[in-house]
Order: sequence, then structure tokens, then C-alpha cells
Amino acid sequence: GAGVSQSPSNKVTEKGKDVELRCDPISGHTALYWYRQSLGQGLEFLIYFQGNSAPDKSGLPSDRFSAERTGGSVSTLTIQRTQQEDSAVYLCASSPGGGGGYTQYFGPGTRLTVL
Amino acid sequence: KQEVTQIPAALSVPEGENLVLNCSFTDSAIYNLQWFRQDPGKGLTSLLLIQSSQREQTSGRLNASLDKSSGRSTLYIAASQPGDSATYLCAVRGRTGANSKLTFGKGITLSVRP
Repeated sequence: GAGVSQSPSNKVTEKGKDVELRCDPISGHTALYWYRQSLGQGLEFLIYFQGNSAPDKSGLPSDRFSAERTGGSVSTLTIQRTQQEDSAVYLCASSPGGGGGYTQYFGPGTRLTVL
Repeated sequence: KQEVTQIPAALSVPEGENLVLNCSFTDSAIYNLQWFRQDPGKGLTSLLLIQSSQREQTSGRLNASLDKSSGRSTLYIAASQPGDSATYLCAVRGRTGANSKLTFGKGITLSVRP
């Protein structure tokens, strides 16, 4: 079966531009997570969606970052007015449920480079 | 706030050596702990998951142990091979809601020399 997919795989943008990153979770998975992997910072949590509940945005680093999940499936992470420090690999994961007992399945990531 | 530490950041060993990768975490109230492998330019592959009630898990040449009370886990790799070269990430997880997010260490980059 299909795993988690992310697009684009690579994105190069100029400072100040807006970017959208897409995540297609595994069909039927109700929980979706976004993480960011920066050089020297490790993987950090950004945002969590579970079913129709309000997302937990506690990990978003600034108000330039936002995410939505349409129809409980596809998610888009938007970064406005990109800065060089936004350069990182953005990873998406989905799981069958939102509790800690469910395994998260990761996509291959989108590598964002802000020039 | 949960913090996960993996030391050293990098390790180089000759092929065939048995090795131990260490992970420590500050809050022992975890639901489970997971070890991942990441190859360059790739996503994460789950290796082993240990529930908080368990002490260890084994898969092939890999064995992961968990001492929740002391906030430590180890990943043991037996008879290392060049194909084991990758970054190994340790992550802990809470039980519910946003606590079910994974909190990661920065990883240990392993190089196994032929």
C-alpha cells in the first residue's frame, strides 16, 4: 500500500517568498504530524492534527507558519515571508490514531532551501 | 519540557564490532520510546519501539533496552556492517493528544568502516 508522500521533494525559494509544502497521509489515518529537521537542531515537532479536533500548534516557531488539513486527509504547511533560518527538511507523519500507542509513519520529507 | 540527548554525535567503528548507542531523556513519564534509522536524504525508518512497561525489544542484530526510571535507553548493534552506516535517532512519546508527538534526540551518525 502507499505510504506517506510529500511534495515537492526539494524546494528552493528566495527570502521573503511564501511556500507551500504538501503531505498526503496514509489513507484512513486520522492523526497527522509535521516536524522540522534543521542542521544542528535535530527533529522538532511543529503541529498536530487529530480527526476533526482543533490542531495543536504549540510547536510552530512563529506566526509566519501555518498549516491546514482539508477533509481530514491532505495537509498543507505554509511558510510566509520565508527567512534563511527556515531552511530545513520538513517531515510529515501520519498514524491510525492520535494516542501514543499508534506508530507514526514518516514521509520522505521536503528539503526547503531559502536563499 | 521533555529533552532527549544522544551522545556522541558521531561514531566510527570497524566492521564486525559490537556497539552501543546511548539515549537519555529528562522526563520519565513516557508512553514509549522508539529508535529510528535515517539514511542521507531519506525519511525515517522505525527500528524498534519499546513500551514504557517493557525493558527491551529485539529485532535481528538490534536490541534496544529501556530503563524508564533512570531516563535511559540503549541500542545495541551486533556484528556491525557497512550497511548499518546511517544516523540513529531516539525519540520518546507521551500518551495522549499533542503529548503523543515524538520528542527526538539529535541523533548519532554511525559510520562502519569495511
